[in-house]
Amino acid sequence: EADIYQTPRYLVIGTGKKITLECSQTMGHDKMYWYQQDPGMELHLIHYSYGVNSTEKGDLSSESTVSRIRTEHFPLTLESARPSHTSQYLCASSELLAGVEQYFGPGTRLTVT
Amino acid sequence: AQKVTQAQTEISVVEKEDVTLDCVYETRDTTYYLFWYKQPPSGELVFLIRRNSFDEQNEISGRYSWNFQKSTSSFNFTITASQVVDSAVYFCALSEAKSSGDKLTFGTGTRLAVRP
Repeated sequence: EADIYQTPRYLVIGTGKKITLECSQTMGHDKMYWYQQDPGMELHLIHYSYGVNSTEKGDLSSESTVSRIRTEHFPLTLESARPSHTSQYLCASSELLAGVEQYFGPGTRLTVT
Repeated sequence: AQKVTQAQTEISVVEKEDVTLDCVYETRDTTYYLFWYKQPPSGELVFLIRRNSFDEQNEISGRYSWNFQKSTSSFNFTITASQVVDSAVYFCALSEAKSSGDKLTFGTGTRLAVRP
């Protein structure tokens, strides 16, 4: 069973606030990912990391930023939240090998008012 | 570029019916990987299966089975004798080892509703 955690699970916040979504995994996985999921279900990769001090932008442009200072931790930050950031954010991790499955956290549902 | 198409947006069946979820993919790589994930109402994506491009054997796991056909670029998922607990959104995904840095491309998902 996957051990990947996200906090908070739900967040309602006002426009202009700075927020950090937390993601931690206890599996020692090198790769970690952030996805944004539209209300219509489609998932889009917004950030990924191959290991400590590695961060890359994904396929969907995002105003968020990420950091990877420790293997197990991959937080996502929005400096100034806007209503357009309202979405579900899913964190995932995987081993470094090619083609392996990703394990997902429970997600953070963010609402910006 | 890689692409995954799940043409069925929503499917509704009565409990105990069999149901097949379709997945068609596009890729230029010869080495690639296909996945199915389940997303129940709780929101977490649950990994179901992984298949690499060199293994066309079909797989059965309990009531679940998967049919991989390279000739038609399809990786379909069948649930036999569906149950209410199978109600979820199901995603098919593709990863190309070479072209896309091993990133996953997801289909748009199929929402399955199983009625008692």
